[in-house]
Amino acid sequence: GENVEQHPSTLSVQEGDSAVIKCTYSDSASNYFPWYKQELGKRPQLIIDIRSNVGEKKDQRIAVTLNKTAKHFSLHITETQPEDSAVYFCAASKGTGGFKTIFGAGTRLFVKA
Amino acid sequence: DAGVIQSPRHEVTEMGQEVTLRCKLISGHNSLFWYRQTMMRGLELLIYFNNNVPIDDSGMPEDRFSAKMPNASFSTLKIQPSEPRDSAVYFCASRGTVNEKLFFGSGTQLSVL
Repeated sequence: GENVEQHPSTLSVQEGDSAVIKCTYSDSASNYFPWYKQELGKRPQLIIDIRSNVGEKKDQRIAVTLNKTAKHFSLHITETQPEDSAVYFCAASKGTGGFKTIFGAGTRLFVKA
Repeated sequence: DAGVIQSPRHEVTEMGQEVTLRCKLISGHNSLFWYRQTMMRGLELLIYFNNNVPIDDSGMPEDRFSAKMPNASFSTLKIQPSEPRDSAVYFCASRGTVNEKLFFGSGTQLSVL
């Protein structure tokens, strides 16, 4: 069935360093790939997304890349700050309507000051 | 718009009791998703609806779980009878017709003693 795998499960970086989280998806028909950030005790919130017709998207310190051939997509956070510490989820979907969004297992990011 | 509204925020109950979780969609949204979050399993999709119709309930763990959409803006997730292993955070999320973005509610922290 449809599956999204996410690595690593835990990531610890020094403040100012970069963090990279990687995901793979199984359904080649997936065309929408969002990333959610969940702070402790809060709801997941969308931070960036990418569609299959684009290879890369950037928003300030965060960027996402997509390799449709390999079915890989990645989240890059540069110049990390302590407030970036959270759990990050990747997800994949085939669109709106009757399609579901499947989430990866999550990556717990720690940014050490 | 107040966003996706879930109630209650916290529920503590005893094993064997019936539990009902509630979710109000964002006005105009027509897709509704119920997720369960635990440390072990991450964000599991339990069931989702499109235009009030259940599309996929394969994630519902057992017959003890049921979900309904009595109207276009409201959904309930019922567990009867509840068991300690049902303890988790339950999120609902809604989605519109044009954009694939999911909007999450605040979640219900369920503890079954």
